[in-house]
Amino acid sequence: QVQLQESGPGLVKPSETLSLTCAVSGYSISSGYYWGWIRQPPGKGLEWIGSTHHSGHTFYNPSLRSRITISVDTSENQFSLKLSSVTAADTAVYYCARDRDEIGALDYWGQGALVTVSS
Amino acid sequence: EIVLTQSPATLSLSPGERATLSCRASQSVSSSLAWYQQKPGQAPRLLIYGASNRATGIPARFSGSGSGTDFTLTISSLEPEDFAVYSCQQRSDWYTFGQGTKLEIK
Repeated sequence: QVQLQESGPGLVKPSETLSLTCAVSGYSISSGYYWGWIRQPPGKGLEWIGSTHHSGHTFYNPSLRSRITISVDTSENQFSLKLSSVTAADTAVYYCARDRDEIGALDYWGQGALVTVSS
Repeated sequence: EIVLTQSPATLSLSPGERATLSCRASQSVSSSLAWYQQKPGQAPRLLIYGASNRATGIPARFSGSGSGTDFTLTISSLEPEDFAVYSCQQRSDWYTFGQGTKLEIK
């Protein structure tokens, strides 16, 4: 069974960089598929942030591209998100998920991590 | 950016009834449309991909239809555990999601 687990600070100060890691178990990232990040502000809808492949190929939401870095660590079977210059608008539950690009859907999700941007 | 508009925003029904949820895209997404179920405090759960294909383990009472710009998620006979928020998602260019339909108990 594929499982994903987000980890990282729950509180980030404005203008700083948000960093999260997603540990994957039950499937080797090196075996394929893309791996993505999605967020959901409190009481609002879902927003895809970006996805990455073990080959290093990444694609990002154009509205966030200038602030995002997503990377993969195949040795640890995990992938990471960095979002720079955060503001209160970046406060959200951040999810990681397996991105089945070939079927256009996200089939396994982590439980989510709430990140609050506040001084 | 392709915008997905879901209707209604809230749907009030009783267990055993049929639920019909709509998702309309601002331009054609062909069949690249998925549906998710989300309960409070939980991650989304993939129900349907490719507009009409049930994901692994999803009960047959859930079905999806449509292509192009108009899509429908149908729950044939509501079970108590089906009351949740349902979101559609397209992958024609990058991923975008609808704002969700809340299915509540009447």
